[in-house]
Amino acid sequence: GAGVSQSPRYKVAKRGQDVALRCDPISGHVSLFWYQQALGQGPEFLTYFQNEAQLDKSGLPSDRFFAERPEGSVSTLKIQRTQQEDSAVYLCASGPRGDWDTEAFFGQGTRLTVV
Amino acid sequence: AQKITQTQPGMFVQEKEAVTLDCTYDTSDPSYGLFWYKQPSSGEMIFLIYQGSYDQQNATEGRYSLNFQKARKSANLVISASQLGDSAMYFCAMREGRGSGTYKYIFGTGTRLKVLA
Repeated sequence: GAGVSQSPRYKVAKRGQDVALRCDPISGHVSLFWYQQALGQGPEFLTYFQNEAQLDKSGLPSDRFFAERPEGSVSTLKIQRTQQEDSAVYLCASGPRGDWDTEAFFGQGTRLTVV
Repeated sequence: AQKITQTQPGMFVQEKEAVTLDCTYDTSDPSYGLFWYKQPSSGEMIFLIYQGSYDQQNATEGRYSLNFQKARKSANLVISASQLGDSAMYFCAMREGRGSGTYKYIFGTGTRLKVLA
């Protein structure tokens, strides 16, 4: 497809379980963002990649959260030892350049529920 | 300090009428971009319109226009001729030009729009 693809769409995890969320950005896009969106809230920034380099991880809430983009295309967000407060929709977005004046294209998100 | 403020949690509009969704922002960076996204119940964030801080004219994209008042630091979205399919959550967002080079989006809390038949 031509858009940003995220998988799985839904994930239920038991507390303490590790999860991995995948993002396939638009081919050739340089920028890649991960956002966390709690129910009824706006998306909150987690981390940013430019190609394979993780330039900003200031939004990651704890060291249980880890993201990678080893070849500058597909990215994975990993959450270790999940907790109930990790329940949210995780959005991935990609952009054609690393500039501030271009829009990013978002995927449909992965809804994570920790029980 | 909150950088993007959307004061309308919910709005109703009659089909075929126009509606304005409010957004104010706060930044000291002279270079910034303002974006509006639509999020239907399916969850995907759909880009609607962009306004750059140096743009002299208000942005327009089809039925969407952005009422940019730089001195007031407001960037309101106007949707003309509302359609039932416009019912969704709408987010205002900003990207600042300065800083670490992340140019991350900062989002508001959103406005839920309901179009009535």
